[in-house]
Amino acid sequence: DAKTTQPTSMDCAEGRAANLPCNHSTISGNEYVYWYRQIHSQGPQYIIHGLKNNETNEMASLIITEDRKSSTLILPHATLRDTAVYYCIVRTPISNYGQNFVFGPGTRLSVLP
Amino acid sequence: DTAVSQTPKYLVTQMGNDKSIKCEQNLGHDTMYWYKQDSKKFLKIMFSYNNKELIINETVPNRFSPKSPDKAHLNLHINSLELGDSAVYFCASSQVPYQETQYFGPGTRLLVL
Repeated sequence: DAKTTQPTSMDCAEGRAANLPCNHSTISGNEYVYWYRQIHSQGPQYIIHGLKNNETNEMASLIITEDRKSSTLILPHATLRDTAVYYCIVRTPISNYGQNFVFGPGTRLSVLP
Repeated sequence: DTAVSQTPKYLVTQMGNDKSIKCEQNLGHDTMYWYKQDSKKFLKIMFSYNNKELIINETVPNRFSPKSPDKAHLNLHINSLELGDSAVYFCASSQVPYQETQYFGPGTRLLVL
């Protein structure tokens, strides 16, 4: 899996947009960008993934730069429940029935009231 | 409604005991998984089941025996518990065949004394 770098921590005011960056300069052509988060004492939660086009779902938006060397996860209206560690992973599509997840340190997002 | 549930949430037991962890999903997914997380960064696949059939059995000691009575349930039985079995065990489910959007349970924290 390609290496990613993320800021260690970020703060965001409740109700504002949270923009979480991820650098993946060694990403290869068939690798996707995936975002997961882990709220304290809970299992990992899938958020969104994309290849090269921007993606949006009910949880977040994913903006991938044209050269695909970096991306930004956007939580449009952060709430206190979005406080978690956010992990950016780049890998080929998970199309078999089981693979390990190797999470980097991630970004600890604190949403402040 | 909880999508993937596990019981118990915490399990403290003595070496040599036999214990079970239960998992249920109400998402109608075909595939279920068991993972072991013994550090914050690494989530290791143990087993995956598709439609009650074992698909993947990674290099897990045969003291660990999964059982899937139906598509919605995948239980994990562990015989002769050892100190090294202490970890957080996550159950997950997804629609076949792509697991990028798999949903994780809250985890079971097992401590073997």
